Amino acid sequence: AQRVTQPEKLLSVFKGAPVELKCNYSYSGSPELFWYVQYSRQRLQLLLRHISRESIKGFTADLNKGETSFHLKKPFAQEEDSAMYYCALGAGSARQLTFGSGTQLTVLP
Amino acid sequence: DSGVTQTPKHLITATGQRVTLRCSPRSGDLSVYWYQQSLDQGLQFLIQYYNGEERAKGNILERFSAQQFPDLHSELNLSSLELGDSALYFCASSVRTGGNTIYFGEGSWLTVV
Repeated sequence: AQRVTQPEKLLSVFKGAPVELKCNYSYSGSPELFWYVQYSRQRLQLLLRHISRESIKGFTADLNKGETSFHLKKPFAQEEDSAMYYCALGAGSARQLTFGSGTQLTVLP
Repeated sequence: DSGVTQTPKHLITATGQRVTLRCSPRSGDLSVYWYQQSLDQGLQFLIQYYNGEERAKGNILERFSAQQFPDLHSELNLSSLELGDSALYFCASSVRTGGNTIYFGEGSWLTVV
């Protein structure tokens, strides 16, 4: 069975500071990893997916298969980054997403 | 705008009642997913349909059912509602099942009183 763990429910950083949101996964097959962002209980928006290896809004994430991690990083946090971030694993024959419990990021002025 | 449309946006109903939530996927998307987001359970996958057929089932209660119609829109039926069913219900869609990004709708807020 697949599982996604986001160990931090809440994370606060100051504007301009680096931020790292942790995500670990458990899956025996070849995973697809995603980060979604949710602002104020609105719809989830795709932020990143590991296969595209792109940077969105200054965020990057690298899949580390040895550590089964997909941490989200940004070198300089902005106040508008304050939101709930969900790590998700696409697995199984239907590739439905399994979400972590989410990390609420607050960027302080 | 993700292109996934959900109605109604908000719904308040009493315990024991039945409601239907509707979802129109993005144009061209064949796969529809339903998720429940509650404060205590987080985001839970409920069920997935692909081109009219059930493809995968998650933590969906027996009181809940869903279907996808020939025009690819989907409905989630929630019956014998309990207070604990109060949640934000998201629909999402993707082009096909497996190996691609899914896009979420704005969600339907259900409050059971």
